[in-house]
Amino acid sequence: AQKVTQAQTEISVVEKEDVTLDCVYETRDTTYYLFWYKQPPSGELVFLIRRNSFDEQNEISGRYSWNFQKSTSSFNFTITASQVVDSAVYFCALSEADSGTYKYIFGTGTRLKVLA
Amino acid sequence: DAGVTQSPTHLIKTRGQQVTLRCSPKSGHDTVSWYQQALGQGPQFIFQYYEEEERQRGNFPDRFSGHQFPNYSSELNVNALLLGDSALYLCASSFPTGPYPEAFFGQGTRLTVV
Repeated sequence: AQKVTQAQTEISVVEKEDVTLDCVYETRDTTYYLFWYKQPPSGELVFLIRRNSFDEQNEISGRYSWNFQKSTSSFNFTITASQVVDSAVYFCALSEADSGTYKYIFGTGTRLKVLA
Repeated sequence: DAGVTQSPTHLIKTRGQQVTLRCSPKSGHDTVSWYQQALGQGPQFIFQYYEEEERQRGNFPDRFSGHQFPNYSSELNVNALLLGDSALYLCASSFPTGPYPEAFFGQGTRLTVV
């Protein structure tokens, strides 16, 4: 069964601190994609990063970085030097290519509060 | 370039009524998916439309139906509304035949059933 678990319900940090959001996934497919989306109060889900199952190389993009480890089925997301504008709900999502539709399976989200 | 647009942004309906939500996909996208997001939860997949056909459906009753038009825009219809249908309904468009299947989401329609 496909499943995404975000164990952290809410995280509070002080501005300029680094923060890591955890994501653990379950899938039987060999080809899949993992995503992080940000949902501000306006409601729109904003695409942040994507990683496919064949590429475990971790990267840094600006203040964002991610750590993908297939051995532990984890796809953690780090924001460096957090800012108040980073306050939002962050969702990790899994999309399986085998279904042909790339439907998303979302976790329950982690609410990040960055305090000034 | 316009992103995904949804209308209306907010809606209040009474139990038993029917509702239609609308979505225009991002330019160049031919696939539309609908998600339901209950308060405090992650979005749940309702169904996906491609080439005017429902391609896959999530675990939602037949009260939820949809349509895709030749211009790729889409509608979500919910009949016999229940209080539990109150949620944020998100539309996502994508172009899954490309190398990167990330979906782009609209701002959602917040439906309240009273």
